[in-house]
Amino acid sequence: SQQGEEDPQALSIQEGENATMNCSYKTSINNLQWYRQNSGRGLVHLILIRSNEREKHSGRLRVTLDTSKKSSSLLITASRAADTASYFCATDAGTSGSRLTFGEGTQLTVNP
Amino acid sequence: DTAVSQTPKYLVTQMGNDKSIKCEQNLGHDTMYWYKQDSKKFLKIMFSYNNKELIINETVPNRFSPKSPDKAHLNLHINSLELGDSAVYFCASSHSGISGANVLTFGAGSRLTVL
Repeated sequence: SQQGEEDPQALSIQEGENATMNCSYKTSINNLQWYRQNSGRGLVHLILIRSNEREKHSGRLRVTLDTSKKSSSLLITASRAADTASYFCATDAGTSGSRLTFGEGTQLTVNP
Repeated sequence: DTAVSQTPKYLVTQMGNDKSIKCEQNLGHDTMYWYKQDSKKFLKIMFSYNNKELIINETVPNRFSPKSPDKAHLNLHINSLELGDSAVYFCASSHSGISGANVLTFGAGSRLTVL
């Protein structure tokens, strides 16, 4: 079954605005990760937040995690046209032989 | 100096044919994966190998057979290709450290089109 579900499916904003994407999941996790995928390319790891963390920052990225609601959000501040991509959350149960289970992704378009 | 490289990048073939996709990583990672991304961008794991041993085998038709000759290589062979096999196949690798966090490094993808 699919672990992560993201919303919105698509988001279009102007350069300079903030973009917020949400991810919900169903089972207990060890950590949650966010990845970016540019058109025609592979996924690139952005940030990881562990289950005992509530917020994490990396440059213009801010990730929150609410394990009681089984949800996470990714905020990109001061967006740029180069941020245009699909963003995926991925959950990791952390057990031996575990796998990352990806959400459906949010397509972000930043208009110049 | 590409970290995870897969070949070919594009593959167009007829139904019923057999094809292979190769993957190599030079990161020293001990775990490698194959993911399938469909036309809606949904990414689903197919297989995972740790130090050449199969550790994840999702519900995938047995027409798909992975092979890991060593921990730096993971190939995917597909027999009797069907239209529904058309997708982008991603190879990825990770290091299964004591932190327990599987951070994946992906290849650029291999787009398979079955006619």
